[in-house]
Amino acid sequence: DTEVTQTPKHLVMGMTNKKSLKCEQHMGHRAMYWYKQKAKKPPELMFVYSYEKLSINESVPSRFSPECPNSSLLNLHLHALQPEDSALYLCASSQVTHTGELFFGEGSRLTVL
Amino acid sequence: DQQVKQNSPSLSVQEGRISILNCDYTNSMFDYFLWYKKYPAEGPTFLISISSIKDKNEDGRFTVFLNKSAKHLSLHIVPSQPGDSAVYFCAASVGAGNMLTFGGGTRLMVKP
Repeated sequence: DTEVTQTPKHLVMGMTNKKSLKCEQHMGHRAMYWYKQKAKKPPELMFVYSYEKLSINESVPSRFSPECPNSSLLNLHLHALQPEDSALYLCASSQVTHTGELFFGEGSRLTVL
Repeated sequence: DQQVKQNSPSLSVQEGRISILNCDYTNSMFDYFLWYKKYPAEGPTFLISISSIKDKNEDGRFTVFLNKSAKHLSLHIVPSQPGDSAVYFCAASVGAGNMLTFGGGTRLMVKP
């Protein structure tokens, strides 16, 4: 199984809503990532978890709250988002020691109204 | 400041010909370079990588060339196939296991 599964594929939410994005992998990878990609832009790193511990937070606003409940799951909790947060959110996983080969999910397309 | 740049947003090539995608970087500390391919409605897929100790890496139809003095790398696809039509991202990192910095992407269209 070389898949990273993200749910939901599409999400529309208001600025006062609380929602979560979910990501799952069963490749035994102990590093998991959240990236944000705006239209016609490259993916931008948000968070990195290594052995279920947050290792990198790229100065992401607190309205985004990541969670790694176990080695296979990664969540991104969303609260009080702004319309400019509308983007494709990509989850990825890898071996902790890697030469850059990340396995990406299909992404969750988020629209904030 | 964008540390990894792909100056051509799009490239159109005839089937069977060579596709050359270019990437420039500014951070001399980068020592791993990768190419990812992205189809619509899918996440990026790792294609090929190169370490800074090499100047060429080949995998089937795909070859990546690295010119450290020019801070430039390129991806050659020979022969190009219609199924290669996708957005290609160049990425770089400082050391293995560290975060990737992506370029803006180049949309390749291979015409039958």
